Amino acid sequence: NAGVTQTPKFRVLKTGQSMTLLCAQDMNHEYMYWYRQDPGMGLRLIHYSVGEGTTAKGEVPDGYNVSRLKKQNFLLGLESAAPSQTSVYFCASGTPMGRYEQYFGPGTRLTVT
Amino acid sequence: QQQVKQSPQSLIVQKGGISIINCAYENTAFDYFPWYQQFPGKGPALLIAIRPDVSEKKEGRFTISFNKSAKQFSLHIMDSQPGDSATYFCAASSAGNNRKLIWGLGTSLAVNP
Repeated sequence: NAGVTQTPKFRVLKTGQSMTLLCAQDMNHEYMYWYRQDPGMGLRLIHYSVGEGTTAKGEVPDGYNVSRLKKQNFLLGLESAAPSQTSVYFCASGTPMGRYEQYFGPGTRLTVT
Repeated sequence: QQQVKQSPQSLIVQKGGISIINCAYENTAFDYFPWYQQFPGKGPALLIAIRPDVSEKKEGRFTISFNKSAKQFSLHIMDSQPGDSATYFCAASSAGNNRKLIWGLGTSLAVNP
């Protein structure tokens, strides 16, 4: 049981390049989330999904796109990376029932130069 | 507009002391208040959570105190240990908000040996 995994762990991009961050969970959770974490700004929700085939905008969605084609995977795309997108990205999954706990992945450290 | 305000931003406590972190919220629809713990290089993990129908919840050395009328809740870490050194986040959510977590900005706790 791996929990929530994220690929890659580190990445350096040049301004204007594109990339996709992959999140996978093996807990059969309905809900999945993408956050970014910057110093002094806590965790900010980028996009989230309440089920396969559904996505919704969070607090800071501009410059990002997401897809949830399979229940276990949640992809975060950067179409044209900007230095302002330098951050640590966390994926999380959870269920709307019970403890409402969100389980986080180990994060992806992205640097845009 | 930050809906969950957390203080202090940083905290230094001696080993064996009590660590206290406070949070205040605005939205009376919130019905779930978790605390997450994050170690450097890791994703946040649920530490303890409370619902507004109780005023206190204790799990080992960690206690949440909840004041519904004041719209405040706090985390108390008794007998603080160097291993407790981490960043702590309070959060709040509601069923009507798809259980999205509204996060505080975090408190960096250092416990000196």
